[in-house]
Amino acid sequence: GQNIDQPTEMTATEGAIVQINCTYQTSGFNGLFWYQQHAGEAPTFLSYNVLDGLEEKGRFSSFLSRSKGYSYLLLKELQMKDSASYLCARGSGGYNKLIFGAGTRLAVHP
Amino acid sequence: SQTIHQWPATLVQPVGSPLSLECTVEGTSNPNLYWYRQAAGRGLQLLFYSVGIGQISSEVPQNLSASRPQDRQFILSSKKLLLSDSGFYLCAWSKGQDNSPLHFGNGTRLTVT
Repeated sequence: GQNIDQPTEMTATEGAIVQINCTYQTSGFNGLFWYQQHAGEAPTFLSYNVLDGLEEKGRFSSFLSRSKGYSYLLLKELQMKDSASYLCARGSGGYNKLIFGAGTRLAVHP
Repeated sequence: SQTIHQWPATLVQPVGSPLSLECTVEGTSNPNLYWYRQAAGRGLQLLFYSVGIGQISSEVPQNLSASRPQDRQFILSSKKLLLSDSGFYLCAWSKGQDNSPLHFGNGTRLTVT
């Protein structure tokens, strides 16, 4: 199978840091993507990792460990607008096909 | 810059009626195109993808079909809708190079009654 596991829900406080974890089956791995999806809207691309290590993009960073089948998305200086679902997805089978996890719903409170 | 258009935004259809959802991409040529479905509280499920005109690959057996009559046009169809076809349908495109991210349209929320 190609299971992707991530927590269903998380809560955090405005201004804080939150880490959203994702584990995936390593066979046939072809890149790890993170997307943000606000309620009722389309997912938007946040980050991509294909090699081990940390990729930083402003307030958002993503980490990958291929041997462990593990990634996380780190959100710093949280803002209310960061309340959304965060989708972990892995490339699979070429042609940029992505297999998505069910998403982590993040609620940011004042 | 590239843009993707998907319509309609919402649709309510009776069981047994036909379906046609359309998606077009602007600002790029020979994109890979995808149809995903998102059921409530679940992850996105890949339904179809296409790497060129007339080339369609189906990922899951189902009541739906897809067509790509032009380079930047992708259509999702059904002859007779089922209740289980309800969901949020998303069209996406990517560049042809490996590991290019997918970019999604705004989606169509389909309710089959």
